[in-house]
Amino acid sequence: DTAVSQTPKYLVTQMGNDKSIKCEQNLGHDTMYWYKQDSKKFLKIMFSYNNKELIINETVPNRFSPKSPDKAHLNLHINSLELGDSAVYFCASSQEGTAGGVGEQFFGPGTRLTVL
Amino acid sequence: GIQVEQSPPDLILQEGANSTLRCNFSDSVNNLQWFHQNPWGQLINLFYIPSGTKQNGRLSATTVATERYSLLYISSSQTTDSGVYFCAVRYSGTYKYIFGTGTRLKVLA
Repeated sequence: DTAVSQTPKYLVTQMGNDKSIKCEQNLGHDTMYWYKQDSKKFLKIMFSYNNKELIINETVPNRFSPKSPDKAHLNLHINSLELGDSAVYFCASSQEGTAGGVGEQFFGPGTRLTVL
Repeated sequence: GIQVEQSPPDLILQEGANSTLRCNFSDSVNNLQWFHQNPWGQLINLFYIPSGTKQNGRLSATTVATERYSLLYISSSQTTDSGVYFCAVRYSGTYKYIFGTGTRLKVLA
């Protein structure tokens, strides 16, 4: 059983299009994350939800909108795609305690987005 | 804010050699993880180690939080150890993880 899954694995699209990436975790965790990995392999957090509440919202263009319909799912919608959005997007989850917690993160396989 | 620096940035080893990777951070953290990103891009959990020492087969890790560093030891390296090794740290009271810049390891047969 896959613990953290993402769909699609690859996404190739034209500039200006709108696309979504979906993430699901079956670990029973209460916190989920989106990260972006650029071409130099640098991993940077974008968003995090704890119990469906947005708790981290980094400096990300507002063309990116996360949505968490329930604790097991976190989706990422991107409007008006630009060339610079090409990257690998990783979803992760962790189980947290109260007041920040100390949970161990587990990552999905990544979605490679290519904008032409 | 917290900076996370890893060294060396690149490392080439002959199969069977040992190595030590270092992660330095600039403030107190309450969580630290080591990951291996394999050549297929998967991020694999190696250690969850906010303090102390852990071992898992040929790999071990030590975190000295008071001195703001963590070390990952790889012994008897194999070609399958190739990839990028990341450490990720988190401040107390926050959910935000910050990743280091990574160490790119290549093990030659």
